[in-house]
Amino acid sequence: NAGVTQTPKFRVLKTGQSMTLLCAQDMNHEYMYWYRQDPGMGLRLIHYSVGEGTTAKGEVPDGYNVSRLKKQNFLLGLESAAPSQTSVYFCASSYGKTHEQFFGPGTRLTVL
Amino acid sequence: GIQVEQSPPDLILQEGANSTLRCNFSDSVNNLQWFHQNPWGQLINLFYIPSGTKQNGRLSATTVATERYSLLYISSSQTTDSGVYFCAVEREETSGSRLTFGEGTQLTVNP
Repeated sequence: NAGVTQTPKFRVLKTGQSMTLLCAQDMNHEYMYWYRQDPGMGLRLIHYSVGEGTTAKGEVPDGYNVSRLKKQNFLLGLESAAPSQTSVYFCASSYGKTHEQFFGPGTRLTVL
Repeated sequence: GIQVEQSPPDLILQEGANSTLRCNFSDSVNNLQWFHQNPWGQLINLFYIPSGTKQNGRLSATTVATERYSLLYISSSQTTDSGVYFCAVEREETSGSRLTFGEGTQLTVNP
């Protein structure tokens, strides 16, 4: 039981490049989330999903897109990376809306 | 949106000491969680506690929803307790699942 996994762990991009971050969970959770964490701050919600085939915007969605084609996977895409998107990205999942969230190990992204 | 304030922002303890971390929030909530982020960045869920009191080993948490605050108690602290403690809440009225995080309390436990 791996819990929540994220790939890649680290990535360096140049401004304007695109990339996709993959989150996978093996707990059969309905809800999945993408957060970003900037230095000295708490986490901010980018997008979330309440089930396969559904996505919704969080607090800071601009510049990101997501897809949930399979229940166990939640993808976060950056179409044209900007230096302001340099951050640590965390994926999380939960059984339901009012259930504890379990986090992946994070992806450290640097945009030059 | 809902405001979440955590105090103190920084705390330094000697091993064996006890501590209380506080989380104040500005609106009624149906979801409150405490997390520990260890020095390697991993986030661990400590408690799901929208109301009442829970205990897990040396850690316990109490949420007084009517007064809009939650407390995290750490007893007999150990160096492995070091890291950042986050409180996160969700307003009752939200239809999705949108946790708002506080800025955290940075805890350092010295041997």
